[in-house]
Amino acid sequence: NAGVTQTPKFQVLKTGQSMTLQCAQDMNHEYMSWYRQDPGMGLRLIHYSVGAGITDQGEVPNGYNVSRSTTEDFPLRLLSAAPSQTSVYFCASCTGPNTEAFFGQGTRLTVV
Amino acid sequence: SQQGEEDPQALSIQEGENATMNCSYKTSINNLQWYRQNSGRGLVHLILIRSNEREKHSGRLRVTLDTSKKSSSLLITASRAADTASYFCATSRAGNNRKLIWGLGTSLAVNP
Repeated sequence: NAGVTQTPKFQVLKTGQSMTLQCAQDMNHEYMSWYRQDPGMGLRLIHYSVGAGITDQGEVPNGYNVSRSTTEDFPLRLLSAAPSQTSVYFCASCTGPNTEAFFGQGTRLTVV
Repeated sequence: SQQGEEDPQALSIQEGENATMNCSYKTSINNLQWYRQNSGRGLVHLILIRSNEREKHSGRLRVTLDTSKKSSSLLITASRAADTASYFCATSRAGNNRKLIWGLGTSLAVNP
């Protein structure tokens, strides 16, 4: 089992560029989430999905879009990158809200 | 906003000693989870304790939950250098359990 796979692991963007962070899981989990982690801030929820076709906003959704066309994939799109989006991004999945979450290895994004 | 608050923020101990970390939260919960994050890596689930449980064990880990005080503690016994990591608590809020609420973490250093 690969678990939760995130790509790329590292990315440098110029301000204003767009990109998509990929997340895929092979555990048939319904719940998937995107977090960003900044020093001293802990994990902050960007967007989450409770199943294919269903997404909702988290704490810090501005500047990000998501879609969930399949159970396996949950891509995160940065529409117009800003230096404030420099962070480490984690994707996670779980079977339900009261269960263990599995995390990807993270994407370290730098916006210059 | 972060519901969980871990303390201490940082802890440094010698190998073989016990490490205790605490987590406080503000609202009623369904469950509380503890995760470990090694530097530069994704989070790994350690233990989930439900709101009707008071104590759980897993190997060298012991978690307690006091719902009257809205707090939990994670005890690592006979610590090893490999336990060096950041430890996070996450709560699933009662009545609104689609999202996990994360604390800011305790950074543990175990010195050989």
